[in-house]
Amino acid sequence: GNSVTQMEGPVTLSEEAFLTINCTYTATGYPSLFWYVQYPGEGLQLLLKATKADDKGSNKGFEATYRKETTSFHLEKGSVQVSDSAVYFCALTILQGAQKLVFGQGTRLTINP
Amino acid sequence: NAGVTQTPKFQVLKTGQSMTLQCAQDMNHEYMSWYRQDPGMGLRLIHYSVGAGITDQGEVPNGYNVSRSTTEDFPLRLLSAAPSQTSVYFCASKTSGGTDTQYFGPGTRLTVL
Repeated sequence: GNSVTQMEGPVTLSEEAFLTINCTYTATGYPSLFWYVQYPGEGLQLLLKATKADDKGSNKGFEATYRKETTSFHLEKGSVQVSDSAVYFCALTILQGAQKLVFGQGTRLTINP
Repeated sequence: NAGVTQTPKFQVLKTGQSMTLQCAQDMNHEYMSWYRQDPGMGLRLIHYSVGAGITDQGEVPNGYNVSRSTTEDFPLRLLSAAPSQTSVYFCASKTSGGTDTQYFGPGTRLTVL
């Protein structure tokens, strides 16, 4: 089946620290990979995506590279800000069939000033 | 564009009561879906629709019904609420393109006593 595993949180960092949130996946097909972010009290927003192996998605200083050989899509940011505090979800979708999103369990990130 | 809208924002039900969570989108998206979000479990797909008149079950459909009479609306019905349905519910929509972004509503927080 299809599944996504994220590093467990919560993660607490100081402002300007380097961030990595690990994400690995299992898929029966050839998935597209996504990172969504949920700010407090809001719905989910797409942060970035990658649709094929070795693609790098990037947005707002965040990056993630689609690694087919390690089935991973780790999220990184070189210098986090307090405003990055949120819950981050890794997700995949298979292009065939219903194109459903399969989510990881989410990682809560808190950035202290 | 209002995007994806959901009503109500909050709801408290007693066990056995019924209610409908409303979801509407104004982006002419063919694909709509309902997820529930529970602590430590990410988002899980309840039901989805690939177009008006077409619905299908997701990962956790029991206790929920849906219909899709128009492109814009995708209501979720709880026929007899149970405490296990206490959760935050998100509606999402996208075009039918496989890698296209899903847009999420702000969510409905439901408590069943």
